[in-house]
Amino acid sequence: GAGVSQTPSNKVTEKGKYVELRCDPISGHTALYWYRQSLGQGPEFLIYFQGTGAADDSGLPNDRFFAVRPEGSVSTLKIQRTERGDSAVYLCASSSNRDKQFFGPGTRLTVL
Amino acid sequence: DAKTTQPTSMDCAEGRAANLPCNHSTISGNEYVYWYRQIHSQGPQYIIHGLKNNETNEMASLIITEDRKSSTLILPHATLRDTAVYYCIVRVDNTPLVFGKGTRLSVIA
Repeated sequence: GAGVSQTPSNKVTEKGKYVELRCDPISGHTALYWYRQSLGQGPEFLIYFQGTGAADDSGLPNDRFFAVRPEGSVSTLKIQRTERGDSAVYLCASSSNRDKQFFGPGTRLTVL
Repeated sequence: DAKTTQPTSMDCAEGRAANLPCNHSTISGNEYVYWYRQIHSQGPQYIIHGLKNNETNEMASLIITEDRKSSTLILPHATLRDTAVYYCIVRVDNTPLVFGKGTRLSVIA
């Protein structure tokens, strides 16, 4: 079946612009996670949704970052006033139970 | 911060078993040991997890010491496609994954 998909696969933007990154989880998965990965590092947790609500947003670095999941399926990560330090691969994962998370291919964000 | 320690890199000859160690001396009673891998330019892929018993699936085996302070992931017959970064993670169910830097495994022909 279809796995987790993320769009766009690549996004290039200018410093100060707003971007939206989309995640389509596996159908029926109630849990959805966002991570980001800088070059040479392991993924870093950003936010976790259980259904429509954010169960844990402790990983969001500051208030420029926001995520929504209005219908408990697709999620959008929103970044305002982008900075060069936001450049990274943004990964989404979904889970139907308490253990395995299935990851998407990621969105590579480059802020010029 | 990651609660695990892994070697930075390892090599393995194609067709041989790859044994990847992980130390997690501060693991709590309700934390599972998870292994994920990340092939270049892809998202992480779940491999296996366990609590205290050894586990085996179609991808790998997981051996956890009796005191649960360390574990070993075994790929029984490594292939070139197994070249990846392997992450060992300790985690309570329903919580985010905390990744360290992992072990970069190179399988050599």
